[in-house]
Amino acid sequence: QKEVEQDPGPLSVPEGAIVSLNCTYSNSAFQYFMWYRQYSRKGPELLMYTYSSGNKEDGRFTAQVDKSSKYISLFIRDSQPSDSATYLCAMSDAGGTSYGKLTFGQGTILTVHP
Amino acid sequence: SAVISQKPSRDICQRGTSLTIQCQVDSQVTMMFWYRQQPGQSLTLIATANQGSEATYESGFVIDKFPISRPNLTFSTLTVSNMSPEDSSIYLCSVVRATEAFFGQGTRLTVV
Repeated sequence: QKEVEQDPGPLSVPEGAIVSLNCTYSNSAFQYFMWYRQYSRKGPELLMYTYSSGNKEDGRFTAQVDKSSKYISLFIRDSQPSDSATYLCAMSDAGGTSYGKLTFGQGTILTVHP
Repeated sequence: SAVISQKPSRDICQRGTSLTIQCQVDSQVTMMFWYRQQPGQSLTLIATANQGSEATYESGFVIDKFPISRPNLTFSTLTVSNMSPEDSSIYLCSVVRATEAFFGQGTRLTVV
């Protein structure tokens, strides 16, 4: 069993739809939870960062963490064609400079069509 | 933010040869991280590189296959040695600034 499971999709939605992306994990030591967006032929870029359980909102994006269920989600409201990318969840059990030791999900390919 | 430059951006190599990938950061960092992204797979951490000490490798990765150098606080190299087609992947370096991990654009390696 992988430490982090993410449905690879692909996911295709019409413009304006609400998108829900999810990951489950097995390592209860994970404390830092992130969502990255990766455009084709580019490196991942950080979208959302959450420490421990709870919700975090940034514009059209909302990240949720439920540590009791070992489940994290990313919601995208009013999705736009420019949101078309691969979305990766990532987690870490270490703080400080070791924070860079991330465990990633497989990534979900999202296409938002006009 | 952090600006990370990786070279080369892509390469096609013959099996049995080696390729060295360079990673340059715009300011000093304590640790640099090397990841592999195989086709259709998640990013997997290869090793952590500290300046002035041996790199720390994750399970499944060994120094003979992926030697790493870290000569100063802004630069690191990853060598993929004795390549086979199974090494065809995207290789990315990463650094941490505050609570954010930044990634280079990656090196797309194809082994034929």
